[in-house]
Parts: sequence; structure tokens; C-alpha cells
Amino acid sequence: GQQVMQIPQYQHVQEGEDFTTYCNSSTTLSNIQWYKQRPGGHPVFLIQLVKSGEVKKQKRLTFQFGEAKKNSSLHITATQTTDVGTYFCAITGSSNTGKLIFGQGTTLQVKP
Amino acid sequence: EAGVVQSPRYKIIEKKQPVAFWCNPISGHNTLYWYLQNLGQGPELLIRYENEEAVDDSQLPKDRFSAERLKGVDSTLKIQPAELGDSAVYLCASSLGLGHGGEQYFGPGTRLTVT
Repeated sequence: GQQVMQIPQYQHVQEGEDFTTYCNSSTTLSNIQWYKQRPGGHPVFLIQLVKSGEVKKQKRLTFQFGEAKKNSSLHITATQTTDVGTYFCAITGSSNTGKLIFGQGTTLQVKP
Repeated sequence: EAGVVQSPRYKIIEKKQPVAFWCNPISGHNTLYWYLQNLGQGPELLIRYENEEAVDDSQLPKDRFSAERLKGVDSTLKIQPAELGDSAVYLCASSLGLGHGGEQYFGPGTRLTVT
């Protein structure tokens, strides 16, 4: 079935350093979503990317959708301890029924 | 606006016992999802409802799992009998549905431990 690979699985950074997580698919995607899950919490929607080459920013977070719509990245500039958590990308299944297929997630630890 | 409500938040049961989880979605959200999340993994869809109709239950282990959304609002997910491997977090999510953007709103989840 359709799947999306997310790397790295874990990332430890010093507060103030940058962080990037990547999602890759072997097939062209209609869109991609990003969610954040704090430790002990539930996934919270961050953003949806739809257009080829799209770049969206939310404060220190920058989201990109590849030109071929097969990959995406989330970049955090100058991480803070509040950025700790697991970041998931999620794609819509091929039948476009609203079913989300989540990546394995990247867990970010920030050392103060 | 109230978010997705789930209960209980935690449940510990012995294997072979039944268990049920309840979810109340955000008001006006026609689409309701039940996900299973194992430790260190992303959520995996079990079943999706459009109003009261289950439109995608291909991932639901129907020999022991069942779900219902009788009036198209709140929903119940049941496991009978539970197995050790069912220990996980069961997440409920809701959305406005196709054509309204893909954003899904998740509840706090029910953490199930089967001993």
C-alpha cells in the first residue's frame, strides 16, 4: 500500500540550533499534511501543502512541498524547548477518501 | 469551541476481557476516525465514518473489534476479547469532511493496557 518515509527518526539539538525533518514518497502526492505531537499528547494539525514547490511559513517553522510533489520538509529555525515533540507528515491515500497515512515521525529533543 | 472528547483516558484490563472507548467529535464534523497508535509510531486508521456510515473499515480487525456511530454524532469502539497486543493508544479524530480541507482534529486518546 501507499506509504511515506520520514527521516530522521530522532534528532537531538541544542537550543538555538536548526532542525529539519523530511518526508519522501515514491508516488506523486495530491497533498501533504504536517502534525505535531507533544510528549503524552495527541497529534495537532500544523499545515497542509497542496501546490508543487509550495513554501509556507509559520513563525520559525518553514514547510516545503517538492516540485515533483513526492517529498516535503519541515524546517525549524533556532529551536526552543517548546518545539520538543514528534513531528509527523501525513498523506492522503490514493483513493482520496480522506484517509490519512502517517509517516513514522521524527522525535525532536531540545537541550536547553 | 470544545474539541474532540474521548473517554476513558486510561484503561487497564486483563486479556480476554471486553473494553469500550467513547468519542464525541467536534460539533458539525460529519467525518469521524478511529486510529490506533503504537509507541513510537504514527497513528494508523482503523475505521472512518461519514455521518453514521462506515466508509472505510478495511484496517479494522473485525474478529474482535467493532464500532458504531448510530446517530452520526458520537461513536463507540469495542474490543472483545482484548489481547496483549492490543495495548496502545486509541485516538479519535473528526473533520468537516472532503471538500472542506483535510485538517483532522484529534482527541486526547485512550491509553489501553492489556495485562
